Amino acid sequence: DIVMTQSPDSLAVSLGERATINCKSSQSVLYNSNNKNYLAWYQQKPGQPPKLLIYWASTRESGVPDRFSGSGSGTDFTLTISSLQAEDVAVYYCQQYYTIPQTFGQGTKLEIK
Amino acid sequence: QVQLLQSGAEVKKPGASVKVSCKASGYTFTSYFMHWVRQAPGQGLEWLGRITPSGGSTTYAQKFLGRVTMTTDTSTSTVYMEVSSLRSEDTAVYYCVRSTMFGWLDPWGQGTLVIVSS
Repeated sequence: DIVMTQSPDSLAVSLGERATINCKSSQSVLYNSNNKNYLAWYQQKPGQPPKLLIYWASTRESGVPDRFSGSGSGTDFTLTISSLQAEDVAVYYCQQYYTIPQTFGQGTKLEIK
Repeated sequence: QVQLLQSGAEVKKPGASVKVSCKASGYTFTSYFMHWVRQAPGQGLEWLGRITPSGGSTTYAQKFLGRVTMTTDTSTSTVYMEVSSLRSEDTAVYYCVRSTMFGWLDPWGQGTLVIVSS
């Protein structure tokens, strides 16, 4: 199984500041035939199911604010929130869908400083 | 709009089975995979498996082979997941979630809390 490791486990950022969450996979999730990274990011607020933010490592889902961006390739990926808003307080998960079983990172809890 | 509506919370004793339903609406049911993901209290996300609604083909995580069964009813656009031989560690919120052939998960059902307790 591909192991997904996020860092840090928790993060406190001031409103309006940048938040950066990292995700590392134990093997590459880049599919060479289409040059796409099979990596998604989700946001989960308390008491709610996860919500898709980004797929293909950097494609923002429709309706997701453009302060959210994804980057990286191969085994190293980053989710960046350019200017933290109060409503961004949540747990964030990365997920690989390159192979079965699909696997998730352990989650990063984002709070306001 | 696309919606996945799951059945209500369950309380079961160890050794029992539980069957959770997920009714889909707002899209062509047979054109997407349906996955099940669970989340133990205060913990992360764990993928259990997926089913192809059109043909009923299933793929399960190794950990759940023999204990989890996913089925589909195309006449009602409903997917079911049954977990047998329940133990306390199975206490979790179980989510159904749709995917395309590529595999990112969207949208998610509202979740079904399953509590296993004697």
